[in-house]
This record gives sequence, structure tokens and C-alpha cells, in this order.
Amino acid sequence: GDSVTQMEGPVTLSEEAFLTINCTYTATGYPSLFWYVQYPGEGLQLLLKATKADDKGSNKGFEATYRKETTSFHLEKGSVQVSDSAVYFCALSDFRGWNTGNQFYFGTGTSLTVIP
Amino acid sequence: GAGVSQTPSNKVTEKGKYVELRCDPISGHTALYWYRQSLGQGPEFLIYFQGTGAADDSGLPNDRFFAVRPEGSVSTLKIQRTERGDSAVYLCASSLTGDQPQHFGDGTRLSIL
Repeated sequence: GDSVTQMEGPVTLSEEAFLTINCTYTATGYPSLFWYVQYPGEGLQLLLKATKADDKGSNKGFEATYRKETTSFHLEKGSVQVSDSAVYFCALSDFRGWNTGNQFYFGTGTSLTVIP
Repeated sequence: GAGVSQTPSNKVTEKGKYVELRCDPISGHTALYWYRQSLGQGPEFLIYFQGTGAADDSGLPNDRFFAVRPEGSVSTLKIQRTERGDSAVYLCASSLTGDQPQHFGDGTRLSIL
């Protein structure tokens, strides 16, 4: 079945450091890939997405490229800020018909703490 | 409102009690999903509605869990004889149709004492 594996945390970085959070996936079809962010005490927010191979999703300085050959969708940011401290979830959705819809499969989440 | 609304935002109850969690999807969205996010985990799929019918309920953990969507809009997730292991954040998401991107609500945090 479909699944997502992401780098375990927690991750602690200094402000302005480079961030990479690894994510790999398994899917039988042609999934769309997502990164969601969950700030303390808040709900899930879509950070970025990519719907086909070689697409790059980007938002708020974060980027991820859909790599079909390595089944990966690693999240990167060149210079993190304290306000980026949150839990990051990699996810895929794979529409396989009206009987199953477009359900999401999430990774376990990676907690990021950025210290000044 | 413009987004998916879930009520209550927090629910605390005793083991063995019955609870209902409500989801108001975005107006006009035909597809609705429930997920459960346990502490330290990513959300896990519970059930998917297309209109009024539960098209896929394969994620419901056992028969204590049930969900309805009688008019194809608001959905209620019902949990009978709650157990401490049911404590989690229950998320609802909706999409215009079953093949479109989902919009998530803020969730209901359920705590079973």
C-alpha cells in the first residue's frame, strides 16, 4: 500500500542554518506530494505541494522537488528562522477512483526547533 | 465561514462515555474525510464520504467508531464506549470532489480520562 517515511526528529538548528528534512514515499499510482506544517497549538497548514515528477513546490523560502527516480520529496530551506519552529509532515495523496477518493498518507512528522 | 469548521475544539470525557464530533465542510464540497492524529504521529485515515454515503470506511479502527453525513454536508463522527486509547486529535477535511485537494479543519482534541 501507499506510505510515507520521513526523517525522525527532533531537529534543532541555529537561526540562519540550512534545513533538510528527508521524505521518501511508496505508491502504486501517480501520487501528489505535500508538505504540511503544524505550529504549536494550531492545525495543519499546507506548506507546499507538487503534483508530478520533477515539479518543485515552494513557499515561504521552503522548497521540495518531486523525484520519481528516488521516490523522494525532501524539504529544504536555505536559512531558517525562529518562527519556523514547528512540526513538519510529509504526505501523499493518490486518487485511485471514486470509491477511495483522494485520501492522504502522512509521515510521522519531524519536529524542528530553531534557536536564536 | 470559508474553511472547514470542527466542533468542539476540545472535548474531555470519561472512559466508557459516548462522544460526537462535528465537521462542517466547505460549502459545496462533496467529499469529506476524517483522520485521527495520535500524539507524536501523523494523521491516519479513518473514513471517506462521497456525498451522503461512506465510500471507504476501511480506516475505522473497530465497531465503536461510526460516522454519518445524512444530508451530504455536515458530518458527525461518533465513538461509543470510549477508551483511553481513543485520545487523539480528530481531523476533518473536505474537497470539492473526490479527486481534488483537501482542506483541513483545525481538529477536535479528544481526551479520555
